[in-house]
Amino acid sequence: NAGVTQTPKFQVLKTGQSMTLQCAQDMNHNSMYWYRQDPGMGLRLIYYSASEGTTDKGEVPNGYNVSRLNKREFSLRLESAAPSQTSVYFCASSEYPSDLKNSPLHFGNGTRLTVT
Amino acid sequence: AQSVTQPDIHITVSEGASLELRCNYSYGATPYLFWYVQSPGQGLQLLLKYFSGDTLVQGIKGFEAEFKRSQSSFNLRKPSVHWSDAAEYFCAVAPYSSASKIIFGSGTRLSIRP
Repeated sequence: NAGVTQTPKFQVLKTGQSMTLQCAQDMNHNSMYWYRQDPGMGLRLIYYSASEGTTDKGEVPNGYNVSRLNKREFSLRLESAAPSQTSVYFCASSEYPSDLKNSPLHFGNGTRLTVT
Repeated sequence: AQSVTQPDIHITVSEGASLELRCNYSYGATPYLFWYVQSPGQGLQLLLKYFSGDTLVQGIKGFEAEFKRSQSSFNLRKPSVHWSDAAEYFCAVAPYSSASKIIFGSGTRLSIRP
């Protein structure tokens, strides 16, 4: 059972380049999330999709776009990468967006992105 | 605004010793509280959660946490650590049961001394 799968695992970009981080879940979850993790700052929510067809901004959305391609897949796009976007990116999913008690977050293993 | 503080950036304990990781939160009412563990190269895994009721909650891997309203704390404990417990631990709070509202602490890295 794969759970939440993120690709790629590592990526190096030059400033101004674009790329898309891919995330897929096989648990038939309704909600999906993108976080970034920076040293000493924990995880911060970039964007989320409470259900197929909807997306909403999180705490730090600037410089990113997302697409909920279908129920399984939720991609994160950097249109013009900046060094400040160097981070580890995590995708997560949950069955229901408003039932943390019974519907915990499941995380992927992360994508380590470096922008030079 | 709610916030969560993990005052210890890095802790080292000997294998077999007891462990306590501190977490303090700031919120007017009782929030929902969580502890997650992140092993190297892995995503976060839920260790335990507190929503209401008994203030001592049991989690996976032998961990427990105690909610103390008077101290606004939710400290994580384990009576005897194993080398495999070396990881980063995150405390998190949510004002209500919405995943998009979870706030994560900055994490505590745990090292185990053989």
